Amino acid sequence: DAGVIQSPRHEVTEMGQEVTLRCKPISGHNSLFWYRQTMMRGLELLIYFNNNVPIDDSGMPEDRFSAKMPNASFSTLKIQPSEPRDSAVYFCASSQRGSPLHFGNGTRLTVT
Amino acid sequence: AQSVTQLDSQVPVFEEAPVELRCNYSSSVSVYLFWYVQYPNQGLQLLLKYLSGSTLVESINGFEAEFNKSQTSFHLRKPSVHISDTAEYFCAVQLYGQNFVFGPGTRLSVLP
Repeated sequence: DAGVIQSPRHEVTEMGQEVTLRCKPISGHNSLFWYRQTMMRGLELLIYFNNNVPIDDSGMPEDRFSAKMPNASFSTLKIQPSEPRDSAVYFCASSQRGSPLHFGNGTRLTVT
Repeated sequence: AQSVTQLDSQVPVFEEAPVELRCNYSSSVSVYLFWYVQYPNQGLQLLLKYLSGSTLVESINGFEAEFNKSQTSFHLRKPSVHISDTAEYFCAVQLYGQNFVFGPGTRLSVLP
């Protein structure tokens, strides 16, 4: 299995632009998680899905952030409009019930 | 609610010395326990896990962790560290079928 695949690997954008991060979970995994990692705040859970349904989005910073999972093999995290404080590494992870999380390699977002 | 505490944010240790990274959790019910390792510019990788059975679990690269239910701890140990063990280590818990909760991480620096 190729593991969790995230794209792009790096994203540099200007403040105010829309950013879309993509994730393909491991086939057969029914849970998908979006995390954000910064030096100041560490690893933060933004949102997670079970069977494509959002279960807990209390970690989403504000309305500028939205996440979707239209099917079992794809999810997006969108930031619109982006701000410099959104600069971070964004990780997607997937799991099956009772199994550990498998992380992607992350998307490093820089908003100037 | 579950929470995970890693009291040591940074642990410097000389090569070939033993190391212990501490992890305590709070939960009123049984949980699954995990240690993840993150090397620079990479995603988190599973190091070892405790789901049930023997309270002592081992990884393939010499780390071990012991689940102590009475102390709600899952400390990570290695009898002799290598330079290549330099990384950030995250303890995590999962309530059955629910979200994963991560600790703040411990940065292990192995010195020559």
